[in-house]
Amino acid sequence: EAQVTQNPRYLITVTGKKLTVTCSQNMNHEYMSWYRQDPGLGLRQIYYSMNVEVTDKGDVPEGYKVSRKEKRNFPLILESPSPNQTSLYFCASSLGTPSTYGYTFGSGTRLTVV
Amino acid sequence: GQNIDQPTEMTATEGAIVQINCTYQTSGFNGLFWYQQHAGEAPTFLSYNVLDGLEEKGRFSSFLSRSKGYSYLLLKELQMKDSASYLCARGGTDSWGKLQFGAGTQVVVTP
Repeated sequence: EAQVTQNPRYLITVTGKKLTVTCSQNMNHEYMSWYRQDPGLGLRQIYYSMNVEVTDKGDVPEGYKVSRKEKRNFPLILESPSPNQTSLYFCASSLGTPSTYGYTFGSGTRLTVV
Repeated sequence: GQNIDQPTEMTATEGAIVQINCTYQTSGFNGLFWYQQHAGEAPTFLSYNVLDGLEEKGRFSSFLSRSKGYSYLLLKELQMKDSASYLCARGGTDSWGKLQFGAGTQVVVTP
């Protein structure tokens, strides 16, 4: 089944403890991206990647890192999480340029930082 | 930024029609998407408009006016399962990887 898989689904962590949220897609998509979703603010783009080793900032990149060493994987790294990073995170991938093809989303990761 | 504005919430009865409006910045516009998102789930693609006019897909239709920076999603013959958030998203030519979303419109369908 064609899908975007992210793990874990739920995560509670403490301030300052480094964490990684994994994302993998099996559709051979070129583009991948991370979004966070907060009530009243909608989906905001954190980072996106156009191919292996090519990444760029979205609208809210502060406090996050990404890497794209393989085409199928695009992990999101929080080096020192803070409570304001408590949010619902979505990984997404796109067959072509997302502004034309749109994104296919994973099931989400609900992160709580205490 | 490319402010994308849509109403926060709309309520309609089963079997009725609801129209969700979306306005966006026209500069560098490359396409307009509508997604549906049920509570706690991932957004799923509904429609894409890049040319002016109406695109019909079963009970759902989407309209675009590029000159006005305006789109709407029309939901006909509403069913209870249509209760969800509907997200308007704008693709731009300034950055091909970016897809910017509005805050979403929560549609509540009542019996």
